[in-house]
Amino acid sequence: SQQGEEDPQALSIQEGENATMNCSYKTSINNLQWYRQNSGRGLVHLILIRSNEREKHSGRLRVTLDTSKKSSSLLITASRAADTASYFCATDAYTGTASKLTFGTGTRLQVTL
Amino acid sequence: DGGITQSPKYLFRKEGQNVTLSCEQNLNHDAMYWYRQDPGQGLRLIYYSQIVNDFQKGDIAEGYSVSREKKESFPLTVTSAQKNPTAFYLCASSIPVAGPGANVLTFGAGSRLTVL
Repeated sequence: SQQGEEDPQALSIQEGENATMNCSYKTSINNLQWYRQNSGRGLVHLILIRSNEREKHSGRLRVTLDTSKKSSSLLITASRAADTASYFCATDAYTGTASKLTFGTGTRLQVTL
Repeated sequence: DGGITQSPKYLFRKEGQNVTLSCEQNLNHDAMYWYRQDPGQGLRLIYYSQIVNDFQKGDIAEGYSVSREKKESFPLTVTSAQKNPTAFYLCASSIPVAGPGANVLTFGAGSRLTVL
């Protein structure tokens, strides 16, 4: 089952602009993660935010988490053409040793020159 | 370099045939996973394994089988019982990177299966 739903499904911006994508989920989580996927490739982990955190930064990435609204947002500042990819949120139902990450449907980001 | 190797990258299968996708990791990770991705969709969990000789069904295990005889290897067999096997298959492994309850996945490059 898909836990997370990203919004928008597709986003097109110009280089230098900021890109914001949102994720909503349905059940309680231990943490929420964002991944990036270039076309036809595997996913790459970007950032993890725990359920007791509200905001986290990593380079040009800023993630927020609102557990009361069951939502998260990913902000990419000063976007570059190389940021063109699909971005997925994933919610973590930790089972002891393994995480059962449940992925959303993704936001396709296109950054044009 | 440490990572996850999936093979083959592309695979074509006739209806009624079983196929096995390979996944090997040299990251010394305990947990391994198989996900399926359909066009324009997110990832859905097929099977996961926490330790050698142990694995659990994910959300869409029907028509698939796995084994975990070695820590490094987690092959996935797509059987003829899988009614719609054409998809992109992703293998991943994980280790807690920020304390308990925070497993971050490392993915392979994927295997694209097409049923003719």
